[in-house]
Amino acid sequence: DAGVTQSPTHLIKTRGQQVTLRCSPKSGHDTVSWYQQALGQGPQFIFQYYEEEERQRGNFPDRFSGHQFPNYSSELNVNALLLGDSALYLCASSLEGGDEQYFGPGTRLTVT
Amino acid sequence: GQSLEQPSEVTAVEGAIVQINCTYQTSGFYGLSWYQQHDGGAPTFLSYNGLDGLEETGRFSSFLSRSDSYGYLLLQELQMKDSASYFCAVRGKRDDKIIFGKGTRLHILP
Repeated sequence: DAGVTQSPTHLIKTRGQQVTLRCSPKSGHDTVSWYQQALGQGPQFIFQYYEEEERQRGNFPDRFSGHQFPNYSSELNVNALLLGDSALYLCASSLEGGDEQYFGPGTRLTVT
Repeated sequence: GQSLEQPSEVTAVEGAIVQINCTYQTSGFYGLSWYQQHDGGAPTFLSYNGLDGLEETGRFSSFLSRSDSYGYLLLQELQMKDSASYFCAVRGKRDDKIIFGKGTRLHILP
């Protein structure tokens, strides 16, 4: 049973560029949440997708957008990258309405 | 708004017991979750308290008291591999958003 997978593992981008991160949820899970984690901090909730719709959104600007596909996989897109967007981006999957989340290994994004 | 407060660091000795506290201010939530994260790794789910009281899973136990706006994670028979960061988290009833605490770094001394 494959757990949550994310790609790529590491990414280096230049300020102003755009990036797309990908996530495949744990088998059987239908809900995907995205988090940003700065060094030494807790994960910050970006948004959650269920049934291909964004259900909840944290305090992130519209530069952060996402998508969920019919197979429940998801993408996180960030436009007009800023230096402050450098962080570990985590994807977590769960069952709808569930509190137990399974996290992927994350994508380490560095913006230079 | 919602916020979760945890001590930034805790130090304990191998074989001992340690308690990591989490106090919160929230208008209502479904339950309190705990996650462990090793350096360079992803958070892994440890436990969930939907109701007040103690939940036990092996060496780890978690407690919730809604009346005191307080919960804790108890780690027994500490092992060196327990050195990690521990996060409490809640999902708000009003907005269904998931909030994590800033994490407690657990240092274990031999």
